[in-house]
Amino acid sequence: GQQVMQIPQYQHVQEGEDFTTYCNSSTTLSNIQWYKQRPGGHPVFLIQLVKSGEVKKQKRLTFQFGEAKKNSSLHITATQTTDVGTYFCAAMDSNYQLIWGAGTKLIIKP
Amino acid sequence: DGGITQSPKYLFRKEGQNVTLSCEQNLNHDAMYWYRQDPGQGLRLIYYSQIVNDFQKGDIAEGYSVSREKKESFPLTVTSAQKNPTAFYLCASSLAGGFNNEQFFGPGTRLTVL
Repeated sequence: GQQVMQIPQYQHVQEGEDFTTYCNSSTTLSNIQWYKQRPGGHPVFLIQLVKSGEVKKQKRLTFQFGEAKKNSSLHITATQTTDVGTYFCAAMDSNYQLIWGAGTKLIIKP
Repeated sequence: DGGITQSPKYLFRKEGQNVTLSCEQNLNHDAMYWYRQDPGQGLRLIYYSQIVNDFQKGDIAEGYSVSREKKESFPLTVTSAQKNPTAFYLCASSLAGGFNNEQFFGPGTRLTVL
């Protein structure tokens, strides 16, 4: 079935450094959603991208959808401790179901 | 407050027992979903329902059953046929139109089979 590959699995950063996670698909995606899950918590919706080449910003977070609608990225500038958690992408497949990436865990080094 | 509630938060069961996980929402959402999450992994869809009295299997429906008798409720039963049921179970809901819309998640139920 259709898969969404998300990398990296983990990213360790010093507080204040940037963080990026990527999602890639071999097929064209209708849309892509991004969620954040804090440790021990549940996923919380961040944003949905629909248009080719779309870029959206939420404060220090920048979301991009590729021109071919096969990849997407989430970039966090100057990470803070409140950013800790796992970031998931989720894309709608040809059967109109959401396929979830495995997530990227953001870890702030002490 | 509007939202989704799941109960219980932690659940322990013996092998061979069926167990039912509760999910209630007061967001007036038509669509509801059940996911399973294993440590370090993404979410996998068990069942979903786009409307009352109708539901469809997701990717990993074997060993699970659901019902959707009321708009606000979507209970999940983990049967003894589920070979490895220990996991974190998440319920979600969304507006009509299903997967094209933002999903709102409940706090989850952690099921452990002893």
